[in-house]
Amino acid sequence: QITLKESGPTLVRPTQTLTLTCSFSGFSLSTSGVGVGWIRQPPGKALEWLAVIYWDDDKRYSPSLKSRLTITKDPSKNQVVLTLTNMDPVDTATYYCALSTSHRIAVNWGQGTLVTVSS
Amino acid sequence: QTVVTQEPSLTVSPGGTVTLTCASSTGAVTSGYYPNWFQQKPGQAPRALIYGTSNKHSWTPARFSGSLLGDKAALTLSGVQPEDEAEYYCLLYSGGWVFGGGTKLTVL
Repeated sequence: QITLKESGPTLVRPTQTLTLTCSFSGFSLSTSGVGVGWIRQPPGKALEWLAVIYWDDDKRYSPSLKSRLTITKDPSKNQVVLTLTNMDPVDTATYYCALSTSHRIAVNWGQGTLVTVSS
Repeated sequence: QTVVTQEPSLTVSPGGTVTLTCASSTGAVTSGYYPNWFQQKPGQAPRALIYGTSNKHSWTPARFSGSLLGDKAALTLSGVQPEDEAEYYCLLYSGGWVFGGGTKLTVL
């Protein structure tokens, strides 16, 4: 059974750095074709892709947020970590991580974690 | 940067058929963009429905189908059920991932 779960702070102050962890089970991030991506959704708004990291350490970022994002993986811990710097209230959103295998993108999703940016 | 456009909202009667589309600002959507479709109900995480234009996941109901329609990707629901009322998102792959703005489907 494949599961993913996001964890991190629920409240972040403006200008701080957000660090989120995706902990997963039921698959290996060392397997060819596998990737884990991050997606966010502001309240009442659309999904927005942030970043993805693949089994071979290939990393892709949203062009609009690239300067603020870093994605890393630790296959031995079955975790993927996303950092987003210089947080702003517009970054308030539910953040999801999701599994991709080849071009079956975001096949399995975590439950999401709501992050609020406020002073 | 690619912008993916979907109909903001559509309404369909129970038992009817409706087609949602997904357009790219860079031109025609082809199979090389590996169009994916997702369903999201209020308070829930999205659920994958279609990958690679027209392939269904094992849990995808038979009434959902994906295709290319002209220069767009399309998701067709045939024999719509009340439980199909949801937000639907397409995603195109172009190195990175790009989501459309979503279509709110009302079953009325």
